[in-house]
Amino acid sequence: DTEVTQTPKHLVMGMTNKKSLKCEQHMGHRAMYWYKQKAKKPPELMFVYSYEKLSINESVPSRFSPECPNSSLLNLHLHALQPEDSALYLCASSLQMGLTGNSPLHFGNGTRLTVT
Amino acid sequence: DAKTTQPNSMESNEEEPVHLPCNHSTISGTDYIHWYRQLPSQGPEYVIHGLTSNVNNRMASLAIAEDRKSSTLILHRATLRDAAVYYCILVPSQGGSEKLVFGKGTKLTVNP
Repeated sequence: DTEVTQTPKHLVMGMTNKKSLKCEQHMGHRAMYWYKQKAKKPPELMFVYSYEKLSINESVPSRFSPECPNSSLLNLHLHALQPEDSALYLCASSLQMGLTGNSPLHFGNGTRLTVT
Repeated sequence: DAKTTQPNSMESNEEEPVHLPCNHSTISGTDYIHWYRQLPSQGPEYVIHGLTSNVNNRMASLAIAEDRKSSTLILHRATLRDAAVYYCILVPSQGGSEKLVFGKGTKLTVNP
């Protein structure tokens, strides 16, 4: 079992829908991440939050909107997605930014998103 | 971001040791070497990390070359549960360390 919990496990949505992915951790970690993984490809970084503030946005389209309401929760709001956005969306956390070299990331098992 | 080079795939037999190589010739002096693995239908899982010295934990050992331009992840006795994609990643200890960038990884197949 992973210490980072992601819900839902699977999500199917139409291109006009609005949905949200949720991620939760209770390890006291202050850095949280969203990654996107297409089939048979490595994960690609999307966003990094540090102490509930957005620290890194890897030029992600605005149809993906992250939110970190508190230190334990991370959301990814989805709106007007395209079929090519279908992928596994992974959440991760680490102790804090600046310490990642000596402090590993903990990943959830992801939300498998299908856009129809 | 510093890059790593790994073989696309490797095979092993159950209960035999496995040595997974990683080349990182452009590593800087402050880069940590991290290994993660991703089992089918799961998120990546931390395996081990090191800076200069060899490291051991309950999952694996990490052997780091003296010049740090390469490293080897050692699974001492492979099991079927070790079949996964293994990623070797360089993580700067200063600035940009949060951009954990995954390469293509090595897909390990374990034969019974």
